[in-house]
Amino acid sequence: AQRVTQPEKLLSVFKGAPVELKCNYSYSGSPELFWYVQYSRQRLQLLLRHISRESIKGFTADLNKGETSFHLKKPFAQEEDSAMYYCALGGSNYKLTFGKGTLLTVNP
Amino acid sequence: GAGVSQSPSNKVTEKGKDVELRCDPISGHTALYWYRQSLGQGLEFLIYFQGNSAPDKSGLPSDRFSAERTGGSVSTLTIQRTQQEDSAVYLCASSRPPGQGHYGYTFGSGTRLTVV
Repeated sequence: AQRVTQPEKLLSVFKGAPVELKCNYSYSGSPELFWYVQYSRQRLQLLLRHISRESIKGFTADLNKGETSFHLKKPFAQEEDSAMYYCALGGSNYKLTFGKGTLLTVNP
Repeated sequence: GAGVSQSPSNKVTEKGKDVELRCDPISGHTALYWYRQSLGQGLEFLIYFQGNSAPDKSGLPSDRFSAERTGGSVSTLTIQRTQQEDSAVYLCASSRPPGQGHYGYTFGSGTRLTVV
């Protein structure tokens, strides 16, 4: 069975501080991992995917198969990063399993 | 269309009434998904359509929920005899066909359903 765990419901940091949103997954096959973001009053949108190894809006995430983790990191948080973040796991059936989300608040 | 379109954006209904939620996916996206988003519960998978294959209905919470997809495009999610616990935001998403890589979903803006 596919499972995604985001242990923090809420995360609050100050502007300019590093931020890490944790995500752990459980899957027996070869996973595809994603981070989605939902800003206030906007639709859910793809932030980044592990297969692309990209950095979007200063965020990066590295897939660690040994620790079954895909934590999202940014060295210097900005106020506009405040949003709900969801980690998602895709299996061979192309159905995404989402975590319950972490609400990030970046304080001035 | 340019994006995934959902209607209505808001729906208030009385307990016991039936509701229909509509989703128009991105042209060329053969996969279509329905999720339910509620506070503290994250995104709960409901149903998945892929081309002409039988849909994956494993996430539907009860037999009051059903969905169909006509002509491989527009989908309708129907909730019969609505209950207050059905109140949530219902999200639709579409994605490219399998075999073209798993590029993630494109979501609609959702339908906020309130059962009073």
